[in-house]
Amino acid sequence: SQQGEEDPQALSIQEGENATMNCSYKTSINNLQWYRQNSGRGLVHLILIRSNEREKHSGRLRVTLDTSKKSSSLLITASRAADTASYFCATDRWNNNDMRFGAGTRLTVKP
Amino acid sequence: EPEVTQTPSHQVTQMGQEVILRCVPISNHLYFYWYRQILGQKVEFLVSFYNNEISEKSEIFDDQFSVERPDGSNFTLKIRSTKLEDSAMYFCASSPGENLSYEQYFGPGTRLTVT
Repeated sequence: SQQGEEDPQALSIQEGENATMNCSYKTSINNLQWYRQNSGRGLVHLILIRSNEREKHSGRLRVTLDTSKKSSSLLITASRAADTASYFCATDRWNNNDMRFGAGTRLTVKP
Repeated sequence: EPEVTQTPSHQVTQMGQEVILRCVPISNHLYFYWYRQILGQKVEFLVSFYNNEISEKSEIFDDQFSVERPDGSNFTLKIRSTKLEDSAMYFCASSPGENLSYEQYFGPGTRLTVT
């Protein structure tokens, strides 16, 4: 399976702290994407990082990709209570853009 | 900003009944997908659709499932004879195309409850 696996499964931090979530996968990928899901709601795309990229930034988000270790991390800096959600990584393969999701990290940011 | 829409937001059906979940992808997108998420579990890929045919499907997508793009805007998922274990959130997604970003845009989901 090439599904991403996130860790930790759950993370609880105080507002203002940074949150780091990790994702590992098993097979070669084309792209890795991070999504956010508020409880019971749809998925919101955060960042796409391609296999030939090592780092991307978007606002308070920083994503890294290490293809040699088959892992990615999502860093949210200066967290806010509104960042409370589940975060999923998803991977797709070359010539095949269906995505496989990991189990997600449940982030709770306490005010 | 264009978005993927799904109807209904919640569907309740009895076991054995057929259901059709509807999606309107973003208008200039070429790839369409269905995913499901059983309560408390991860999002699972069901099927991808391109050029009016299935391009890939998972082991979940058995003969009880079918997809169709009946016109230029709708993309439907049909479950022929629902089972209790089909209860889940079903998400539709679309993406621009093979040579462009693989970013997929998700709809808000349809909650299917099979009783």
